[in-house]
Amino acid sequence: RKEVEQDPGPFNVPEGATVAFNCTYSNSASQSFFWYRQDCRKEPKLLMSVYSSGNEDGRFTAQLNRASQYISLLIRDSKLSDSATYLCVVGDRGSTLGRLYFGRGTQLTVWP
Amino acid sequence: EAGVTQFPSHSVIEKGQTVTLRCDPISGHDNLYWYRRVMGKEIKFLLHFVKESKQDESGMPNNRFLAERTGGTYSTLKVQPAELEDSGVYFCASSQRRTANNEQFFGPGTRLTVL
Repeated sequence: RKEVEQDPGPFNVPEGATVAFNCTYSNSASQSFFWYRQDCRKEPKLLMSVYSSGNEDGRFTAQLNRASQYISLLIRDSKLSDSATYLCVVGDRGSTLGRLYFGRGTQLTVWP
Repeated sequence: EAGVTQFPSHSVIEKGQTVTLRCDPISGHDNLYWYRRVMGKEIKFLLHFVKESKQDESGMPNNRFLAERTGGTYSTLKVQPAELEDSGVYFCASSQRRTANNEQFFGPGTRLTVL
């Protein structure tokens, strides 16, 4: 069983649309949660951390449900520049462990 | 502030040869990680250094892989001898010693092709 599962898509949406991505994680002891964005042939870049209370950064809203081990990302008013692969990432944040577990990514294409 | 840098950006070698990848973390970051993405799969953890010490190397696939971080600054990852299945993109990441949420910053990766 994979540590992090996410819908690979692809999602193809018009500019201005709202799109939602979901992922689930298998380790109930996981402590840190993120969405990373990866452009084609580039490195993953942190989009936002995800907190239990939910958090918002401009057009992006992330939610975490620890009981269901479920993470979501909502993008409102999609822009062309949002086209990328979105990676759901979960971390062990123990005192010594720092490894991250990645989903395979969800590909988003925003068209004009 | 300079980000994580990796060298080379691309490497094409033949099966059985040796390749050494280098990573320079963000200055002052004690934590350094190596990850790998093989085609069609997710990015997977290889190992974690805290300064010069290997904190967790449980993700290393086999003993053909050797990582070092002498002096606690840059790190090298050597593959010897390389096999076809070692092809992929090798990412390095770094983070501060005390980080509120384990945020890691990734380098651009080294794309390794073994023929």
